[in-house]
Amino acid sequence: QQKVQQSPESLSVPEGGMASLNCTSSDRNFQYFWWYRQHSGEGPKALMSIFSDGDKKEGRFTAHLNKASLHVSLHIRDSQPSDSALYFCAALGYNQGKLIFGQGTKLSIKP
Amino acid sequence: AQTIHQWPVAEIKAVGSPLSLGCTIKGKSSPNLYWYWQATGGTLQQLFYSITVGQVESVVQLNLSASRPKDDQFILSTEKLLLSHSGFYLCAWRGTGAGNTLYFGEGSRLIVV
Repeated sequence: QQKVQQSPESLSVPEGGMASLNCTSSDRNFQYFWWYRQHSGEGPKALMSIFSDGDKKEGRFTAHLNKASLHVSLHIRDSQPSDSALYFCAALGYNQGKLIFGQGTKLSIKP
Repeated sequence: AQTIHQWPVAEIKAVGSPLSLGCTIKGKSSPNLYWYWQATGGTLQQLFYSITVGQVESVVQLNLSASRPKDDQFILSTEKLLLSHSGFYLCAWRGTGAGNTLYFGEGSRLIVV
């Protein structure tokens, strides 16, 4: 069973619009969460980490964590064509060495 | 600043041939090192990790092996490639401590024919 589930699988957003990506975990041990972005042919790059309930904003990107519902989201405002990529949610629990990745959301920004 | 370099960038290899992929991390002492595999458009599957020189733990069995001959180097290899080995191989490093971010290299694309 996938411990970190992402939705939607794919998403198309007009340029300048808001993209919202979701991630739900099934393990209450998860305490640390990251969002990664991977452009085609490149290695994934860490976008943001979030460890506390609430919102964390970095530029156009806002992550939201709700540990009670095991839900983390990423919102991208003023989406740009360069935001088109595969986005991964990743989670880690206390005393766990293995980062668990979701299956990814493919984001396409249409000019 | 830490840098991570993977080689080769891409390989086309025949089934049954040997493989060696490498990874070097500069600017970070005694990092935790990882190998991941990714099918095209797929999720990231951890293969191996190492917390110190000479010590490597296997996470999944895919007829691959890994070694850490130096503090800053991680090698992935196999004696005989299978078609199922095709994919994108990513080396990554992370500092100790639960809240540390995992940083990936640019990857090595492998096509087995």
